[in-house]
Amino acid sequence: EIVLTQSPGTLSLSPGERATLSCRASQSVSSSYLAWYQQKPGQAPRLLIYGASSRATGIPDRFSGSGSGTDFTLTISRLEPEDFAVYYCQQYGSSPTFGQGTKVEIK
Amino acid sequence: QVQLVQSGAEVKKPGASVKVSCKASGYTFTSYGISWVRQAPGQGLEWMGWISAYNGNTNYAQKLQGRVTMTTDTSTSTAYMELRSLRSDDTAVYYCARDFLPFAVVVGNWFDPWGQGTLVTVSS
Repeated sequence: EIVLTQSPGTLSLSPGERATLSCRASQSVSSSYLAWYQQKPGQAPRLLIYGASSRATGIPDRFSGSGSGTDFTLTISRLEPEDFAVYYCQQYGSSPTFGQGTKVEIK
Repeated sequence: QVQLVQSGAEVKKPGASVKVSCKASGYTFTSYGISWVRQAPGQGLEWMGWISAYNGNTNYAQKLQGRVTMTTDTSTSTAYMELRSLRSDDTAVYYCARDFLPFAVVVGNWFDPWGQGTLVTVSS
């Protein structure tokens, strides 16, 4: 099983600031089968990024994904009030797994 | 629009079984796989397994093998997840989520969209 470790656990930032979230895999993620999801309290996760760097339909371009192999990054260029949430990375190989999440909170 | 609507909250006693449904609309049900993901209170996401609505192939998470069964009813475009021998640590919100790409014969797809979630509480 591929273990995904996200860091930091919590990111305290102000609106307008840049957020950089990390996701590290215990072994190489094949074909960049890496996705990012956003989850707000009481809601289902929402797809942001797939294939490590492709934005899902309707996702603003302030969200971007990068990386390959074992190291992946989600960047939010300028935080909007609605971006404060928990973010999960996921590898969707033969046995999908999720990271433990990074909470982006208002400073 | 593509939508997954799940059944309502359940309260079960330890040792019982629960069956959660996920009714799909807005797309050809048999063209896509469905995964089930759960989230314990205040915790992260855990993938439970996947079923192809095309041919019924399944792939279950190893830790749930023997306790979980996923099925589909193509006549009603509904997917089901049954979990048996419930324990208190099975208390969670259970989500269904559709493969983004169609015609997958094995698990290996990102998930979009997701159902609204079903809270299952296991308590004596």
